[in-house]
Amino acid sequence: SQQGEEDPQALSIQEGENATMNCSYKTSINNLQWYRQNSGRGLVHLILIRSNEREKHSGRLRVTLDTSKKSSSLLITASRAADTASYFCATAYIQGAQKLVFGQGTRLTINP
Amino acid sequence: DGGITQSPKYLFRKEGQNVTLSCEQNLNHDAMYWYRQDPGQGLRLIYYSQIVNDFQKGDIAEGYSVSREKKESFPLTVTSAQKNPTAFYLCASTGTSGAYEQYFGPGTRLTVT
Repeated sequence: SQQGEEDPQALSIQEGENATMNCSYKTSINNLQWYRQNSGRGLVHLILIRSNEREKHSGRLRVTLDTSKKSSSLLITASRAADTASYFCATAYIQGAQKLVFGQGTRLTINP
Repeated sequence: DGGITQSPKYLFRKEGQNVTLSCEQNLNHDAMYWYRQDPGQGLRLIYYSQIVNDFQKGDIAEGYSVSREKKESFPLTVTSAQKNPTAFYLCASTGTSGAYEQYFGPGTRLTVT
């Protein structure tokens, strides 16, 4: 399976702290994306980083990509209770048309 | 409003019955996808379609069927051959810009007893 892995599976922090989630993948990618899912809802796209990019920012989100290690991280700064959700990385492999391969997700809980 | 709609939100069926899940989009996207999500798990690709009247199997297509007769619609049928059909089903679409960002519907939770 080409499915990547996310780490940790679950993360619980206090409001205001930073949250870091990691994603590893297996073969060469075109891009890597992060999605958020609130309980029982559809996924929402957060950010996309291309294989020739190393870091990308969007508001309180920072994504890094290390293609030599085949890994990415998502940092959420100054967390809020509303950030409580599951976060998934998804990879668009070079060979694979327009398919995305999703990781297992990290369940993030922000405690007030 | 532009987006993807899935109906119904909750669906209950008896074992042995086929059931069809609806997915409609008005984003003018060419590609559409069906995923299955089990509790605490990631998404697994069932089928996808990049153009009308064409579709490809994903990783777990057995026991499922699809059609793509219109650009806006990509219904998924869960057949009686699917051994464990109870799951959360998500539909998504993407344009052909090459960015691969996918837009998701709200999902249908199917329970088969």
